[in-house]
Amino acid sequence: KQEVTQIPAALSVPEGENLVLNCSFTDSAIYNLQWFRQDPGKGLTSLLLIQSSQREQTSGRLNASLDKSSGRSTLYIAASQPGDSATYLCAVRPNYGGSQGNLIFGKGTKLSVKP
Amino acid sequence: DAGVTQSPTHLIKTRGQQVTLRCSPKSGHDTVSWYQQALGQGPQFIFQYYEEEERQRGNFPDRFSGHQFPNYSSELNVNALLLGDSALYLCASSLGQSPYEQYFGPGTRLTVT
Repeated sequence: KQEVTQIPAALSVPEGENLVLNCSFTDSAIYNLQWFRQDPGKGLTSLLLIQSSQREQTSGRLNASLDKSSGRSTLYIAASQPGDSATYLCAVRPNYGGSQGNLIFGKGTKLSVKP
Repeated sequence: DAGVTQSPTHLIKTRGQQVTLRCSPKSGHDTVSWYQQALGQGPQFIFQYYEEEERQRGNFPDRFSGHQFPNYSSELNVNALLLGDSALYLCASSLGQSPYEQYFGPGTRLTVT
């Protein structure tokens, strides 16, 4: 059974710091991995999608890496800003022998960036 | 280009009642998935609709049912509400059943008292 774990559960940093959020998953048979941002009480905004054949994706100050064999992904945020404060969710899409499953989420990392 | 929309934004129901939540997918998308997100947890997959049929289902009881209309919009119905059904219900749309990116709506906050 696929399980997704995110560490740390919460993180508080001063503005301007570079930071790394971690995501691990138990089964390497995945189609892709997606990072989302969620503001309090709101829906999910997709940040980056990494296909299983890719090693990383970049968008602006965000960089996500994927090591499928070790079941790990990291989200790197450069020069953090107070507006980055949110919960960051990692989700994997399982590959069931060629048939895709639906997204399995971690519990998220709640990030607070202090001015 | 309209994104995923959901209605209502929030609602309050009493135990034992029934509720219907609605979702319109992003323009051009034909597949709708529903997720339940309890407070402090990640979203959990309920079911997915494609071509007006339920294609996949997560570990949720039969009290949770759905429907997809010819215009690809979808409804989530929950019968005999329990306190534990209180959560944010998220709808996501995508194109076909390929493992493409899912786009999420703003959610419906359901409170059961």
